Amino acid sequence: DAKTTQPPSMDCAEGRAANLPCNHSTISGNEYVYWYRQIHSQGPQYIIHGLKNNETNEMASLIITEDRKSSTLILPHATLRDTAVYYCIVRPSIIQGAQKLVFGQGTRLTINP
Amino acid sequence: EAGVAQSPRYKIIEKRQSVAFWCNPISGHATLYWYQQILGQGPKLLIQFQNNGVVDDSQLPKDRFSAERLKGVDSTLKIQPAKLEDSAVYLCASSLLVGSPLHFGNGTRLTVT
Repeated sequence: DAKTTQPPSMDCAEGRAANLPCNHSTISGNEYVYWYRQIHSQGPQYIIHGLKNNETNEMASLIITEDRKSSTLILPHATLRDTAVYYCIVRPSIIQGAQKLVFGQGTRLTINP
Repeated sequence: EAGVAQSPRYKIIEKRQSVAFWCNPISGHATLYWYQQILGQGPKLLIQFQNNGVVDDSQLPKDRFSAERLKGVDSTLKIQPAKLEDSAVYLCASSLLVGSPLHFGNGTRLTVT
């Protein structure tokens, strides 16, 4: 079962920052927060991941609260091509055996012109 | 780098027929995954390979689904016989190592009538 809670849908105006929240109140110390997105008719695309520090790459920023029970994915200047379903996933660090990504329902983000 | 290749892109079959999907992962990626995505839901892991060995197939319906990874590179997923509820998108993903971000193909959309 997914260990995260996300709003089912959000809207954002083109050019503005899109802030996507995720709750993961049962996260444990060795679990990472991953974000993927899925544009219509495509496979999921990796965006970013983090453990406890904030992270930034060319696609987005990830802000993780100090208690690690929630996080926010920030798309700084949203474009129409950012319209997609965004998945927040909690994933264990490298351990023996399977390393499965368990997807929930995600947030359907719509960028409006 | 070339992405994960999957074929066919679409497949329509009648129930009780058999079908096979093919996946070519990113070169050098040791880990390969098959996911099933039913319309409106997040992807669900069916099976995970590490090189040519199975790491996790706990959610694979083994009475009708089978998968193999030839020489630790390409993989095929087979359904025999198909049921109506198997209608879904079948996604293949690969990662460089266990714990690395997953790279997904665009999937095969299966319709069972």
